[in-house]
This record gives sequence, C-alpha cells and structure tokens, in this order.
Amino acid sequence: DTAVSQTPKYLVTQMGNDKSIKCEQNLGHDTMYWYKQDSKKFLKIMFSYNNKELIINETVPNRFSPKSPDKAHLNLHINSLELGDSAVYFCASSQDGGWANSPLHFGNGTRLTVT
Amino acid sequence: QKEVEQDPGPLSVPEGAIVSLNCTYSNSAFQYFMWYRQYSRKGPELLMYTYSSGNKEDGRFTAQVDKSSKYISLFIRDSQPSDSATYLCAMSNNFNKFYFGSGTKLNVKP
Repeated sequence: DTAVSQTPKYLVTQMGNDKSIKCEQNLGHDTMYWYKQDSKKFLKIMFSYNNKELIINETVPNRFSPKSPDKAHLNLHINSLELGDSAVYFCASSQDGGWANSPLHFGNGTRLTVT
Repeated sequence: QKEVEQDPGPLSVPEGAIVSLNCTYSNSAFQYFMWYRQYSRKGPELLMYTYSSGNKEDGRFTAQVDKSSKYISLFIRDSQPSDSATYLCAMSNNFNKFYFGSGTKLNVKP
C-alpha cells in the first residue's frame, strides 16, 4: 500500500494553463506539505497544513493555491502556469508536525513540465 | 547564503568502500537532523534521524552531528551498488519546517 500517493505522476502543459495535483495519505498523519524540487535537487517547502489548517505559506506566488478538504488530502492548484514552474512537486506528511512520531514521509512526486 | 549546504557530487566509489557524506548549516537553533535517500524518479525516503549532537548507528549507516561546528555526516560502510542514489540532509528547529540540503549524488560501482 502506498502511504503517500500523488497524481498525476507526469504533467506536461503549456504556459498560461491551469492545472491541479492531488495528494492523499493513508498514514493517519495530521500534517501535510507541498515541496518543490528544482533541477538541482534542492527541496524547498511551499505549504504546510495541519488538520486542514494552513500553517506554513512560504513566499510562493498567489498563482499557487493549496486546498485541504480533510486531513488525509492536500491538493495543489496552479493558475497561469509559467516556464519557471517546471519542477518536481512532492507531497509529504508527518504526525504532529513532524518529529515526535515521524519525520516526513514523501510521495513519489509529480514531474511538471511547462512548455 | 542557504540555510544548509551540501556538496552535490557526484561521488563515485567502488563497491565495499566507506562513504562519507556531509552537510554544514548556519542556524544554530537546529536540533533535529535527518538523512534521506532518493532514488531516481522516486520521493525521498528517511534513512536516519538524530536529535542534537552525537552519533547514531543503524546497520551499515552511521549519522554524526557536531553542533559546535554546525556539521553533520552520514557514513556508509561496505557500500553496495544498491546504495547508489542521491542523499539529502535535512534539519529543523521545530516540528513544522524542515530545511534540506541540495543532495549528494552517490554512485557505487560493482
């Protein structure tokens, strides 16, 4: 069973389009995250939700809007896609904000290519 | 300056070698230190985590933290071709925000 699953795995789209990435975790964790990994493998946090409440919003353009319908799901919607948005986007989850019971558990990523 | 610095490599070693991977950091408030392994086209998976200074051993892997020098290391003994991956260090001073290094790509040649 996949603990953190995200769809789609690959996403190729044109500039200006709007797209969504979905994430689900079956670990019973309270906190979920979106990370962006650039071509140099650098992982940078974008958002963090705890029990459906936004707790971290790093300096991410307003074109990115996360939505958490329940604590097992965290989706990412991106408006007006730009070339610089091309990256791998990872969903992750953790229990109680990440340490006491578990550090981060990652999905396998969504590889977004904007042409 | 990035919060966490990590040599990107690539690092190429023969099978059976001892591998040393390192990260330095600037924030003295970091208390929690982790190493993740990432295979190609996969998400990072947790290898080791430690709290504060000291050593932790798990099988062929040893994690070391030197807070006075703001320096952490991961040693891999008897390296195997299956260890070939990118290794990411990560650290945190609270439970919600983790700072990652850019990863070191390791290739273990059979």
